[in-house]
Amino acid sequence: GDSVTQMEGPVTLSEEAFLTINCTYTATGYPSLFWYVQYPGEGLQLLLKATKADDKGSNKGFEATYRKETTSFHLEKGSVQVSDSAVYFCALIREYGNKLVFGAGTILRVKS
Amino acid sequence: GAVVSQHPSRVICKSGTSVKIECRSLDFQATTMFWYRQFPKQSLMLMATSNEGSKATYEQGVEKDKFLINHASLTLSTLTVTSAHPEDSSFYICSAGRHAEAFFGQGTRLTVV
Repeated sequence: GDSVTQMEGPVTLSEEAFLTINCTYTATGYPSLFWYVQYPGEGLQLLLKATKADDKGSNKGFEATYRKETTSFHLEKGSVQVSDSAVYFCALIREYGNKLVFGAGTILRVKS
Repeated sequence: GAVVSQHPSRVICKSGTSVKIECRSLDFQATTMFWYRQFPKQSLMLMATSNEGSKATYEQGVEKDKFLINHASLTLSTLTVTSAHPEDSSFYICSAGRHAEAFFGQGTRLTVV
């Protein structure tokens, strides 16, 4: 079945450090890929998405590129801030589907 | 973007009582909504798919008599936790899909005492 695997956390970085959170997926066809962010005590917010191969999603300095050849959708940010501390979820919706499949989530902690 | 509103955001109830959580799509119609449960420091577990005008589809291991789902209109789905027990304490989140994208409610923190 469809699945999403993302790197285990927590990831602890200093402010202005470079961030990478790895995400790989297994799915038939061409799923849509997403990164969601969850701040403490809140629901999920869509951070960015990509719907086809080689698309790059970007928002708030975060980027991720849909790589079909490596079935990956790694999240990157050039310079993290303390306010980026949250849990990040990689997810997919299969082609023609409507059900999200989530990765386990990665806790990011940014220290000043 | 589309908005999904979930209510209440926090609820504390006594063991043995029932609690209803509402999920509304505010600016679009949703024939399908999803209910998730999130344990502390864990990912979201899909509990059930709520289908407007028909019975919900429950994931394996989720008790349908315990977690009653009603999707009476295209903009409202409700989850009722019946005869709640402390082990039902959790964070419950709903979502609705539109154009192959999911929009989430703010979540409900349920505490059963």
